[in-house]
Amino acid sequence: DSGVTQTPKHLITATGQRVTLRCSPRSGDLSVYWYQQSLDQGLQFLIQYYNGEERAKGNILERFSAQQFPDLHSELNLSSLELGDSALYFCASSVAPSRETQYFGPGTRLLVL
Amino acid sequence: DQQVKQNSPSLSVQEGRISILNCDYTNSMFDYFLWYKKYPAEGPTFLISISSIKDKNEDGRFTVFLNKSAKHLSLHIVPSQPGDSAVYFCAAINTGNQFYFGTGTSLTVIP
Repeated sequence: DSGVTQTPKHLITATGQRVTLRCSPRSGDLSVYWYQQSLDQGLQFLIQYYNGEERAKGNILERFSAQQFPDLHSELNLSSLELGDSALYFCASSVAPSRETQYFGPGTRLLVL
Repeated sequence: DQQVKQNSPSLSVQEGRISILNCDYTNSMFDYFLWYKKYPAEGPTFLISISSIKDKNEDGRFTVFLNKSAKHLSLHIVPSQPGDSAVYFCAAINTGNQFYFGTGTSLTVIP
């Protein structure tokens, strides 16, 4: 158990819908990262937050957005969902940004039908 | 555009022997590299990392080698154990703090 929690574990929705994925980092960790793992593309870095502020951005679509709240939990919002958004979404946390060891949550499996 | 590549999707090794997992990258702006291990239905777990100013880092049975001129990274596991069977991802961080992961290599250690 990494100490990072993600909810929900599974999510099934339809194209065009919007969903919110939630992540609670390990106690004491200030930085949160979001990743998408598709079948054919491995892990893709989406975005990183540190203490409420966006720190780095990867290949995050405009239809996706994220934020980190004052209590340090983070939410990833996915809108206008497409079939290709079906993937495993991981959240990770670390004490500080950059080169610190990241601890990954168990992931949220999203299926868009 | 896959900037970090793991060209071997799978690898099988006998217990007790050396496992060598390889990773190639294309971007010279990467300055930090990591290896993660992933079991089914779990998130990746950090294994070992190396800064671009080094060419080797050891932690117990795990050693990571970096060849910057070849843009090549490898993870050596000696001796391999059945519990090492998992998917291994290499990752790289550029100077803009963006993370790039390879597609993973599934390692099977045969008892």
